[in-house]
Amino acid sequence: KQEVTQIPAALSVPEGENLVLNCSFTDSAIYNLQWFRQDPGKGLTSLLLIQSSQREQTSGRLNASLDKSSGRSTLYIAASQPGDSATYLCAVTSLGGGSYIPTFGRGTSLIVHP
Amino acid sequence: NAGVTQTPKFQVLKTGQSMTLQCAQDMNHNSMYWYRQDPGMGLRLIYYSASEGTTDKGEVPNGYNVSRLNKREFSLRLESAAPSQTSVYFCASSAPAGHQYFGPGTRLLVL
Repeated sequence: KQEVTQIPAALSVPEGENLVLNCSFTDSAIYNLQWFRQDPGKGLTSLLLIQSSQREQTSGRLNASLDKSSGRSTLYIAASQPGDSATYLCAVTSLGGGSYIPTFGRGTSLIVHP
Repeated sequence: NAGVTQTPKFQVLKTGQSMTLQCAQDMNHNSMYWYRQDPGMGLRLIYYSASEGTTDKGEVPNGYNVSRLNKREFSLRLESAAPSQTSVYFCASSAPAGHQYFGPGTRLLVL
């Protein structure tokens, strides 16, 4: 059974810092890994999707890397801003019973203070 | 472009009552999913549908049933609600192994 762990569970940083969020998974036979952002009381917004054949994806100040063999992904946020405050979740998609099954981590709660 | 829509946004039930949560997507996705999100537990998959006409159990299916009415719609039914089913429910859709897109969620309180 795939298990996804996110470290740290919570993070508080001053504005302007570069930061790294970590995601690890137990079964390296994945099809993709997706990073999401969730604001309080809201749904999930997709940030980046990395296919299993890719090593990284970038969008603005966000960069996500994937090392499938070691079961790890990192989300790098450059020059953090108070508007980045949210919970960040990663999800890996694996094949199960002939279907693509997503498994989520529990998230990292980020606070960026001015 | 509405994406994924869910109704209702909020519901209060008494123990033993039944209800159906509705979900629809307009992105022509084959795959649809129902999750529940609880504090400290993250998102857990209840049921999924890889294509129209098929449904499969996820991690926590007990107490729920689903119907893939057509390619657009995937409903979740609670036949006899229990307090343990108090949660936030999210519907999502995707192309096979593609981006997942989420609805805004349904907040359910079972008394």
